[in-house]
Amino acid sequence: GAGVSQSPRYKVAKRGQDVALRCDPISGHVSLFWYQQALGQGPEFLTYFQNEAQLDKSGLPSDRFFAERPEGSVSTLKIQRTQQEDSAVYLCASSPQGRRSTDTQYFGPGTRLTVL
Amino acid sequence: DAKTTQPPSMDCAEGRAANLPCNHSTISGNEYVYWYRQIHSQGPQYIIHGLKNNETNEMASLIITEDRKSSTLILPHATLRDTAVYYCIVRPLLYKLSFGAGTTVTVRA
Repeated sequence: GAGVSQSPRYKVAKRGQDVALRCDPISGHVSLFWYQQALGQGPEFLTYFQNEAQLDKSGLPSDRFFAERPEGSVSTLKIQRTQQEDSAVYLCASSPQGRRSTDTQYFGPGTRLTVL
Repeated sequence: DAKTTQPPSMDCAEGRAANLPCNHSTISGNEYVYWYRQIHSQGPQYIIHGLKNNETNEMASLIITEDRKSSTLILPHATLRDTAVYYCIVRPLLYKLSFGAGTTVTVRA
């Protein structure tokens, strides 16, 4: 079946521009996660949604980062006034159940953001 | 979450078993051991997880020591497509995954 999809796969932005990254999770999955992966490092947690509720945004690096999942399915990660340090791969993952679960997380291919 | 220690890299020969060690000496009783891998330019892929007992699935086997302070992921017959970064993660019954640097495994023909 269809996995997690993300778009665009690649995004180049000039410093100061706003960007929006989209995640389509597996249909019916309750949980959705965003991770940031800098070059040569492992992914780092950004934020977590259970359905439409954002239950944890402790990993968002600054108030320029904003995520939403208004109908409990598709999610958008928005970065305002991008900076060079925002350059990374942004990964989305979904899992079938809620947060108190050992569910597998299924990852999308990521969006590679380059800020010039 | 408990921290994990993995070797930064390892090579293995195609067709041979690959044994990937992970140390998690501070693991607590409710924390699971998970393994994910990430092939170049792809998102992480789940491999296997366990709590106390050894586990096996179609991809790999997971051997957890009796004291649970370390584990080994075994890829029984490595292929070139198994070249990837392998992450060992210890995780309580919560949602976050905390990836470390992982082990870069290179399978050579």
